[in-house]
Parts: sequence; C-alpha cells; structure tokens
Amino acid sequence: GNSVTQMEGPVTLSEEAFLTINCTYTATGYPSLFWYVQYPGEGLQLLLKATKADDKGSNKGFEATYRKETTSFHLEKGSVQVSDSAVYFCALSDGSGNTGKLIFGQGTTLQVKP
Amino acid sequence: EPEVTQTPSHQVTQMGQEVILRCVPISNHLYFYWYRQILGQKVEFLVSFYNNEISEKSEIFDDQFSVERPDGSNFTLKIRSTKLEDSAMYFCASSEVQGGYGYTFGSGTRLTVV
Repeated sequence: GNSVTQMEGPVTLSEEAFLTINCTYTATGYPSLFWYVQYPGEGLQLLLKATKADDKGSNKGFEATYRKETTSFHLEKGSVQVSDSAVYFCALSDGSGNTGKLIFGQGTTLQVKP
Repeated sequence: EPEVTQTPSHQVTQMGQEVILRCVPISNHLYFYWYRQILGQKVEFLVSFYNNEISEKSEIFDDQFSVERPDGSNFTLKIRSTKLEDSAMYFCASSEVQGGYGYTFGSGTRLTVV
C-alpha cells in the first residue's frame, strides 16, 4: 500500500542554518505530495504541495521538488528562523479518483535555537 | 480566511462513555474528513464523507465509530464506547475538491479517556 517515510527527528538547528527534512514515498499511480506544518498547540496547515513529477512547491522560504525517479519530496529552507520551530509532516494523496485521503509520514520535529 | 471549527478543544471522558466531537467545515466545501493523531505518532486517516455518506474508512474506523452531518453545517464524529486507546487528537478537515488538494484542517479536539 501507499506509505510515506520521513527522517527521524528531532532536528535541532541554529538560526539561519540550512534545513533539509527528507521524505520518501511508496505509491501506485501518480500521487500528489504535500508538506504540512503543525505549530505547538495548533492544527495542521498546508505548507506547500506538488501535483506532478518535477514540480517544485514553495512557500514562506520553504521548497520541495517532486522527484519521481527517487520517489522523494525533501523539504528545504535556506535560512531557518526560531519561528519555524514546529512539527513537519510529509503526506501524499494517490489522486487516482480517490476520496482525497491523505497518508502522512510520522512527522519531524524541528527546533531552531537563537 | 475561512476556518474549520472544532469543539470542544479538549474533552475528558470515562472509559465506556459515548463522546461526540463536533466540527463546522467551510461552508462551500463538499468533502469532509476525520483524522486522529495519538500523542507522538503519525496522523492517521479515519474516514471521508461526501454526499451524505461515507466514501472511505480505515480499519481503525470500526463499529464503535460513526459520522454524521445532521444539519448541513455540522459534521460530527461519535465514539460509542470509548477505550483508553482512543485517547488522541482528532482533526476534522474539509475540502472543496476531491483528490487531497485544498484541505483545511481544524485545530483539533484532544480526547482523553480515563
């Protein structure tokens, strides 16, 4: 079945450091890929998405490229801020006329220190 | 910006009791979902709902669970006889279109079964 695997956390970085959070997926068909962010005490917010191979999603300085050949969708940011501290979830939707169900990775906690 | 509203934000219940978690989706959305997140674990799909019926459910969503859209505005999740392992954060989401795009999540209800 479809699945998403993320790098284990927590990830601890200093402010202005470069961030990479790895995400790989297994899916039949042509999934859409998403990154969601969960700030402390809040719900899930869509950070960015990509719907087909080689698409790059970007938002708030974060970006991720849909790589079909490596089945990956790694999240990157060039310079993190303390306010980026949150849990980041990679997710997929298989998109094949389905009900819209999202399959999530296990989440990666990012802590940014001043 | 339109929001998905969930109430209550936190509910404590005794094992064996029935609970109803409430959600008000975005008014022009047609697809509705419940997910749960056990503390420290991944977000898991429970059920999707469209056109007044369940369109997909996971193996977690057994006979103890039910969903309803009683009045065209609220979308509820009922757990008939709660177990300790039902303790989790429950997220409602709605979407205007099918396929996993354009989800808006609520901020969640933390259910604690004692």
